Amino acid sequence: GENVEQHPSTLSVQEGDSAVIKCTYSDSASNYFPWYKQELGKRPQLIIDIRSNVGEKKDQRIAVTLNKTAKHFSLHITETQPEDSAVYFCAASKNTGNQFYFGTGTSLTVIP
Amino acid sequence: DGGITQSPKYLFRKEGQNVTLSCEQNLNHDAMYWYRQDPGQGLRLIYYSQIVNDFQKGDIAEGYSVSREKKESFPLTVTSAQKNPTAFYLCASKLSGANVLTFGAGSRLTVL
Repeated sequence: GENVEQHPSTLSVQEGDSAVIKCTYSDSASNYFPWYKQELGKRPQLIIDIRSNVGEKKDQRIAVTLNKTAKHFSLHITETQPEDSAVYFCAASKNTGNQFYFGTGTSLTVIP
Repeated sequence: DGGITQSPKYLFRKEGQNVTLSCEQNLNHDAMYWYRQDPGQGLRLIYYSQIVNDFQKGDIAEGYSVSREKKESFPLTVTSAQKNPTAFYLCASKLSGANVLTFGAGSRLTVL
């Protein structure tokens, strides 16, 4: 099966700095990689995703990069704000499948 | 609650008792999932169901049972055989062929 590893487990940054969270996956057949944000006490919500036919995707201050050869993908948050503080989960899935394999999560704290 | 409702939000039970967590969605989603969330361990799949009257075990199904008698409902029973049931439980759903998971708000189970 798939194994998704996520680092770091905790991350603190000053407001305005950038934050990077990295994930690796083991199954080369995985081709869909979503990122979920879970604020304290709330449900996880999709913030950005990328498919294996794309190397990078941006949405305002958030970007995701994918290196299929190395089997890793990363979340980049620029100009961080206190409301970015949350737990972020990466995941991997096969487009034809119904299972999602999640990383262990990164607790991001943005210090004002 | 974004179309997927979990109840109860908090639940306490004594050791040796079974408890059932409810998950209902009005999104007309085909697939439904149960995840367990523990600190530092991310989201681990307990069971999932792609269609009515069919479900598959996830990575940590031991001590749990599910049913899918209706498309909109996927209840999870935590049995007395589950050795460490205290956790946060998340239900999710998605359309067949789509990739985006929609999560419920979660149920926190505490075994006393």
